[in-house]
Amino acid sequence: EAQVTQNPRYLITVTGKKLTVTCSQNMNHEYMSWYRQDPGLGLRQIYYSMNVEVTDKGDVPEGYKVSRKEKRNFPLILESPSPNQTSLYFCASSPHFQGNNSPLHFGNGTRLTVT
Amino acid sequence: GEDVEQSLFLSVREGDSSVINCTYTDSSSTYLYWYKQEPGAGLQLLTYIFSNMDMKQDQRLTVLLNKKDKHLSLRIADTQTGDSAIYFCAQKGDGGSQGNLIFGKGTKLSVKP
Repeated sequence: EAQVTQNPRYLITVTGKKLTVTCSQNMNHEYMSWYRQDPGLGLRQIYYSMNVEVTDKGDVPEGYKVSRKEKRNFPLILESPSPNQTSLYFCASSPHFQGNNSPLHFGNGTRLTVT
Repeated sequence: GEDVEQSLFLSVREGDSSVINCTYTDSSSTYLYWYKQEPGAGLQLLTYIFSNMDMKQDQRLTVLLNKKDKHLSLRIADTQTGDSAIYFCAQKGDGGSQGNLIFGKGTKLSVKP
């Protein structure tokens, strides 16, 4: 089944403890992206990747890192999480970056709480 | 920069039609999208419309595009309780946002039996 898989679904951690949220897609998509969803703010893009070894900042990259060593994986790294990073995170992928008719496929989300 | 605006809430009765509205700023977008987010899940593409079209119909869904007013709407006919979800309007950003999708804040549709 074609899908975007994020892990974990839920995560509670403490300020300053490094964490990684994994994202994997099995559709051979070139483009992958991370969003955070907050009440009243909608979806905001954190980082995106157009292909292997190509990553770029989105609208809210501060406090996050990503890597794209292989096509299928796009982990989101929080080196020193803070409470303002408590949010619902979504990974998404699409076949191509430039194609206008390349819909995004979303994972089911990771709810992160930083205390 | 680009912006996509939509009302945050809509409540309808089962069997009625729902109309979710969206305004956008980037007139160069070639595609405009509607995504649906059910509780506890990620977003799923519901439908999209090409900018040279005024209307697109797909079963119970009708998308209307008014390019002059930069207004997009999604009509759901015979709304069912299973249609309760958050609906996001989205457009492709221009070069300033690297061509990524710009999402509205989402409209939460509540369907009352």
